[in-house]
Amino acid sequence: QSALTQPPSASGSPGQSVTISCTGSNSDVGYYMYVSWYQQHPGKAPKLMIYEVTKRPSGVPDRFSGSRSGNTASLTVSGLQAEDEAEYYCSSFAGSSKLLFGGGTKLTVL
Amino acid sequence: EVQVVQSGAEVRQPGESLKISCKASGHRYTPYWIAWFRQMPGKGLEWMGIIYPGDSDTKYSPSFQGQVTMSADRSTSTAYLQWTSLKASDTAVYYCASHTFYDYISGFDVWGQGTLVTVSS
Repeated sequence: QSALTQPPSASGSPGQSVTISCTGSNSDVGYYMYVSWYQQHPGKAPKLMIYEVTKRPSGVPDRFSGSRSGNTASLTVSGLQAEDEAEYYCSSFAGSSKLLFGGGTKLTVL
Repeated sequence: EVQVVQSGAEVRQPGESLKISCKASGHRYTPYWIAWFRQMPGKGLEWMGIIYPGDSDTKYSPSFQGQVTMSADRSTSTAYLQWTSLKASDTAVYYCASHTFYDYISGFDVWGQGTLVTVSS
């Protein structure tokens, strides 16, 4: 059982928007502004898509956005494209040098 | 450009020892940490712990404390992950990752290519 809870799957058609949730607690997601999201294609290393809840690293399309409400963080992918089909993981700092990860959400582009 | 390069795939028998590596380059001025992750076949990412190559300060995830040893060689900017007695359940891809942000808690934007460790008799 993962420390952060993500839905196992999500899907959307090309051009649509999809939102993936990541639920933690008021000791991690709800307390620290250090939530990040990673994209992983099969057989590839993960790639950072969002850091510090809402920030996008250079080179990440602005179709990807992050937000937080209470103890739940969310990743929204707008204007879905075929290449967005991948596994997505959330992560949160939890204090005392501890990092938590979600179990991953498989995003399918229909 | 900051990058981390991992050692190649390994095959071992149960009970054997193993040490895999992750060499960092390109970190010019900012201090940096190197994290290790496990991904078992068909499963999600698991954070194993993190090490600061500057002084080998190490933080282990509770799930991996006592199961592996992390170390580093500051002179070569290389981090290591070591097992003394492998089990079949250690079969996985192991990733190392680092960051260009001021602190690792912001996220890991630099990833290695992964090292496949296969433990089988």
